[in-house]
Amino acid sequence: GNSVTQMEGPVTLSEEAFLTINCTYTATGYPSLFWYVQYPGEGLQLLLKATKADDKGSNKGFEATYRKETTSFHLEKGSVQVSDSAVYFCALKYPGGFKTIFGAGTRLFVKA
Amino acid sequence: NAGVTQTPKFRVLKTGQSMTLLCAQDMNHEYMYWYRQDPGMGLRLIHYSVGEGTTAKGEVPDGYNVSRLKKQNFLLGLESAAPSQTSVYFCASSFEMGTRRETQYFGPGTRLLVL
Repeated sequence: GNSVTQMEGPVTLSEEAFLTINCTYTATGYPSLFWYVQYPGEGLQLLLKATKADDKGSNKGFEATYRKETTSFHLEKGSVQVSDSAVYFCALKYPGGFKTIFGAGTRLFVKA
Repeated sequence: NAGVTQTPKFRVLKTGQSMTLLCAQDMNHEYMYWYRQDPGMGLRLIHYSVGEGTTAKGEVPDGYNVSRLKKQNFLLGLESAAPSQTSVYFCASSFEMGTRRETQYFGPGTRLLVL
């Protein structure tokens, strides 16, 4: 069946370090892919998304490219800040469907 | 504009007790969802609604009931709580569903502990 696999956390980085959080998926066809972020004590917020192969989603300095050939949607940021400390969820959804499939989440800690 | 709000924030129940979780949205969204979040797992859909007066089962509906009597509210009920229902519950809403433009907006969550 369809699934999303994320790298296990926690990931601990120093401020201004480069961030990569890996996400791979198992799915047929062309689902939309998402990254959500959950800050402490809050609900999930959509960070970015891509709806077709080779699309790049970007927001707040974060980027992810929809790679059909490697079934991946890795999240990257060139220089993280303490305020980026949160849990990041990769997800997929098919157009016309009601269900979003989420990965288990990756917790990021950024130290000053 | 409060977005999506959830009540209560935290609750402790004994096995067999019942409770209702309330979700409210002020964005006039047609679609609403209830998820549960468990350690090491992503969010899983419990029930959803495509409009006032409608409900449908999601991925893990057993042990839960829902109602959508008003467009802005979506209630999740546990008739007889079990320890397996210890979780964090998130409500979400969206203006569209099933389109590539769909964006879900999430509430802050309700942490439930069943003893």
